[in-house]
Amino acid sequence: AQSVTQLGSHVSVSEGALVLLRCNYSSSVPPYLFWYVQYPNQGLQLLLKYTSAATLVKGINGFEAEFKKSETSFHLTKPSAHMSDAAEYFCAVSEGTGGFKTIFGAGTRLFVKA
Amino acid sequence: DTGVSQDPRHKITKRGQNVTFRCDPISEHNRLYWYRQTLGQGPEFLTYFQNEAQLEKSRLLSDRFSAERPKGSFSTLEIQRTEQGDSAMYLCASSSGEGLNGYTFGSGTRLTVV
Repeated sequence: AQSVTQLGSHVSVSEGALVLLRCNYSSSVPPYLFWYVQYPNQGLQLLLKYTSAATLVKGINGFEAEFKKSETSFHLTKPSAHMSDAAEYFCAVSEGTGGFKTIFGAGTRLFVKA
Repeated sequence: DTGVSQDPRHKITKRGQNVTFRCDPISEHNRLYWYRQTLGQGPEFLTYFQNEAQLEKSRLLSDRFSAERPKGSFSTLEIQRTEQGDSAMYLCASSSGEGLNGYTFGSGTRLTVV
């Protein structure tokens, strides 16, 4: 069965610093992987997706993620944090044996300090 | 295209009452999903539809919960005899095909059971 583990429920960075949010997945078949962002009292918005085309995936707002099969990881990075990046971030996995429904991690809240 | 709409945005109900939520997906999307999100957690899968067919229900969906998608358009989620543990954000999402390009989420319905 597919699952996702996000390491660190809270991450705090200074404005301008590197953002690194960690995600490890478990899947019995090649997975499809996603990162979503959620602002307070809103639904989730897709940041980026990995669908086996390229291992380094670029998304919106300057975020990118790298798929590493050997490490079963899909960490999210951004070179320089902005105050507007403060939000909750969710890693998610979808696979065929699960009917392609998406399973979400518990989330990582990103704080950005001025 | 106005995105995924959910109604109401907020619902406060007394324990034991029935509530019904509505979701209007993106019109071209054939798949519709319901998730539940509690404070500090990621979205938990409840059920999904492909057109009008309900393809999977989570074990989280007790017999007090029922979802429908008549005619493969909008969907309703009903909770009968609400309990305080039902208090959560209920998120609806839709996708085309199997959702391999990600989901589009609505803003959610926040349910508070008092």
